[in-house]
Amino acid sequence: DVKVTQSSRYLVKRTGEKVFLECVQDMDHENMFWYRQDPGLGLRLIYFSYDVKMKEKGDIPEGYSVSREKKERFSLILESASTNQTSMYLCASSLYGLAGYNEQFFGPGTRLTVL
Amino acid sequence: AQSVTQPDIHITVSEGASLELRCNYSYGATPYLFWYVQSPGQGLQLLLKYFSGDTLVQGIKGFEAEFKRSQSSFNLRKPSVHWSDAAEYFCAVGGAGGTSYGKLTFGQGTILTVHP
Repeated sequence: DVKVTQSSRYLVKRTGEKVFLECVQDMDHENMFWYRQDPGLGLRLIYFSYDVKMKEKGDIPEGYSVSREKKERFSLILESASTNQTSMYLCASSLYGLAGYNEQFFGPGTRLTVL
Repeated sequence: AQSVTQPDIHITVSEGASLELRCNYSYGATPYLFWYVQSPGQGLQLLLKYFSGDTLVQGIKGFEAEFKRSQSSFNLRKPSVHWSDAAEYFCAVGGAGGTSYGKLTFGQGTILTVHP
């Protein structure tokens, strides 16, 4: 089975802190994704990566950056956390190819609270 | 731009009753359609997907969905709901159009509550 793990289930940070969310997948998938999930808004794509060191902006990239130095690991970075970034963050991965038609495998999520 | 609408935010059914969750999409070309389920405290799991061919798609856990191009809909159904089906359900649309790597667009989600 594909396994996608996220470094923390719950995280509490203060406004202005730099925050790192880590995601690791063990199935050699080329594509990796970061979403945020908010009630009533569903999942919104922040960034995705289709190869090591490659990235594409999603729908809501403002205030976020990403890093993919190794194929299995995809990091989401909040350079200066703000309260409106309090949310559930989901990481996903999928096989190489168009992201629009491959099944995505999701991690359990990180619930981030910014005070 | 592609979009997905799930008109029902919250649905409550009795155990053993039938279920239909609605999904309407907007996409300029042939869509690829997905239903995912998220149990409390869990990530999303794929229930089923439609790419082409037979418009009635069977998935895991006894779910099925029907693609209706004329109505731009992809509704999820189950003939008899079990208490363990209580979860949040997401419809998503993707495809080969748009940016070179495409993307999935998710609906707002429908929360299903099951009464004993």
